[in-house]
Amino acid sequence: NAGVTQTPKFQVLKTGQSMTLQCAQDMNHNSMYWYRQDPGMGLRLIYYSASEGTTDKGEVPNGYNVSRLNKREFSLRLESAAPSQTSVYFCASSERASSYEQYFGPGTRLTVT
Amino acid sequence: GQQVMQIPQYQHVQEGEDFTTYCNSSTTLSNIQWYKQRPGGHPVFLIQLVKSGEVKKQKRLTFQFGEAKKNSSLHITATQTTDVGTYFCAGRWYKLSFGAGTTVTVRA
Repeated sequence: NAGVTQTPKFQVLKTGQSMTLQCAQDMNHNSMYWYRQDPGMGLRLIYYSASEGTTDKGEVPNGYNVSRLNKREFSLRLESAAPSQTSVYFCASSERASSYEQYFGPGTRLTVT
Repeated sequence: GQQVMQIPQYQHVQEGEDFTTYCNSSTTLSNIQWYKQRPGGHPVFLIQLVKSGEVKKQKRLTFQFGEAKKNSSLHITATQTTDVGTYFCAGRWYKLSFGAGTTVTVRA
């Protein structure tokens, strides 16, 4: 089992460009999450999907959109990238939304110039 | 803003020494999780505490959940170079909120 996979690993964008970060899990988990990690800020939740067909905003959703394509896949889209979105993005999954450990992907390092 | 505060932000430890990192919440938590992130890596789940006053051990790591379920600690004994990384607590009330982490470096 690959666990949680993310593509791409690295990306450089110019301000105003758009892109989609891809995430897939092969653990048959119901819930999936997108976090961003910035120095000194820990992990901040952008969006999550408690189950297939549902998505909800997290702590820092502005400037992002998500799609829960199916049970395995959860993508994060930046419509018009800004330098403030320079960060490391982690996708995670868990069996259910409450009281279960989260499994993280390897991350995407995004730089917006 | 963050509801879960972790201290210290950085911990520099001599190999073989013990240290403790603390996690505090202003809200009563239903449970708390701990994760470890190695440099350049991704967070990896270590443990979950659910009960008031719960203590769990994993080899040299001891995790404790406070009686009021508002704080938690991670104590590492006889620190080794393999303990290097950032340790995050994540407290849950209606949502899971991560602390900013304690970054641990070890002097050999």
